[in-house]
Amino acid sequence: KAGVTQTPRYLIKTRGQQVTLSCSPISGHRSVSWYQQTPGQGLQFLFEYFSETQRNKGNFPGRFSGRQFSNSRSEMNVSTLELGDSALYLCASSANPSTGPSTDTQYFGPGTRLTVL
Amino acid sequence: TQLLEQSPQFLSIQEGENLTVYCNSSSVFSSLQWYRQEPGEGPVLLVTVVTGGEVKKLKRLTFQFGDARKDSSLHITAAQPGDTGLYLCAGNMDSNYQLIWGAGTKLIIKP
Repeated sequence: KAGVTQTPRYLIKTRGQQVTLSCSPISGHRSVSWYQQTPGQGLQFLFEYFSETQRNKGNFPGRFSGRQFSNSRSEMNVSTLELGDSALYLCASSANPSTGPSTDTQYFGPGTRLTVL
Repeated sequence: TQLLEQSPQFLSIQEGENLTVYCNSSSVFSSLQWYRQEPGEGPVLLVTVVTGGEVKKLKRLTFQFGDARKDSSLHITAAQPGDTGLYLCAGNMDSNYQLIWGAGTKLIIKP
């Protein structure tokens, strides 16, 4: 079974631009979570989608948004990029829809490395 | 302020040595997970500990959950270069929907 895939793997943008990242979960997984990872901060939860609905959201500004399609693929968008948005963006999928990312096993993709200049 | 503090932040040792990394909090967790993340990859779940005082072994890796479920440790015996990576702990608080993550311990094992 193929793992979680994320595209693109690397991205360089300038301040003020917007960016869209894509995540394809493991086949059959309906929950997709997004995280931002920066050195020294660990993983910060952005949001989780299940059945095309945002089920929970972390403490990030409204510039960060996402969506999920009927095939469970998910995208996240960051508008008006800032230097501080430079990070590794990880998505994770899980199979159990009823318990959420804190109790179900999550499978992570390799991430998208975003650099904002 | 991190709710889960991992120490040390960085550790570089020779192949064959033993090491312990820690994950500490003042909060109680219903369970705690350990992940390893290699460069260019996402975190991979190693183990989940659920019961206070629980010890789990995964080959040369020994994981322990504190009696009060506020802390955990990972001990590696006879470290090998393949153990190199970022070790992350993540805790589940019943009052939180998502996991609480530590910042990680970056481990380098030199041949």
